[in-house]
Amino acid sequence: DTGVSQDPRHKITKRGQNVTFRCDPISEHNRLYWYRQTLGQGPEFLTYFQNEAQLEKSRLLSDRFSAERPKGSFSTLEIQRTEQGDSAMYLCASSPGQQQYFGPGTRLTVT
Amino acid sequence: GESVGLHLPTLSVQEGDNSIINCAYSNSASDYFIWYKQESGKGPQFIIDIRSNMDKRQGQRVTVLLNKTVKHLSLQIAATQPGDSAVYFCAENTGSGNTGKLIFGQGTTLQVKP
Repeated sequence: DTGVSQDPRHKITKRGQNVTFRCDPISEHNRLYWYRQTLGQGPEFLTYFQNEAQLEKSRLLSDRFSAERPKGSFSTLEIQRTEQGDSAMYLCASSPGQQQYFGPGTRLTVT
Repeated sequence: GESVGLHLPTLSVQEGDNSIINCAYSNSASDYFIWYKQESGKGPQFIIDIRSNMDKRQGQRVTVLLNKTVKHLSLQIAATQPGDSAVYFCAENTGSGNTGKLIFGQGTTLQVKP
């Protein structure tokens, strides 16, 4: 257990529905990252926060995706109008500097 | 483009033997590298890291070697145990914009035979 928690661990939703995931980082870490991982692949970077500021977004993050970190602590990732291609593991990581500590992930299945 | 790749998708070793997992990276500007272990259904777990000003770093039963000349990274696991069975990823931080985002390779599955 790295100290990074994610909720829920599993989510099954129907195509077209909205979903929201939560990440609670290690408390003293000011950096927070979201990654997406599909089966058999390595994680792919989605977005990065330093404190409450979202400083980088990947081209993978379409306009259906939005992430927030309102008080520089926990973060949420929302996917609107889910598509079957959104099915993946969504991983959150926090960092005090360079070393990133990953949470257990939220596995999303879109039916 | 930026990419980090691994040479072999699967590596099978006998319990007690040493394992070597290889990784090639393409961005010569990368200044920080990490190896992660990922078990089924879990998030990546940090194993060891190395900065670009080093060529070797040792941990408990693990050693990471960095060869910047040929842009190659390897992870050596001594006396491999059944609990080492997992997927191993190398990742690089290209240093671009100093966001710290990691670029991952596709992973090598390590199978340890008893």
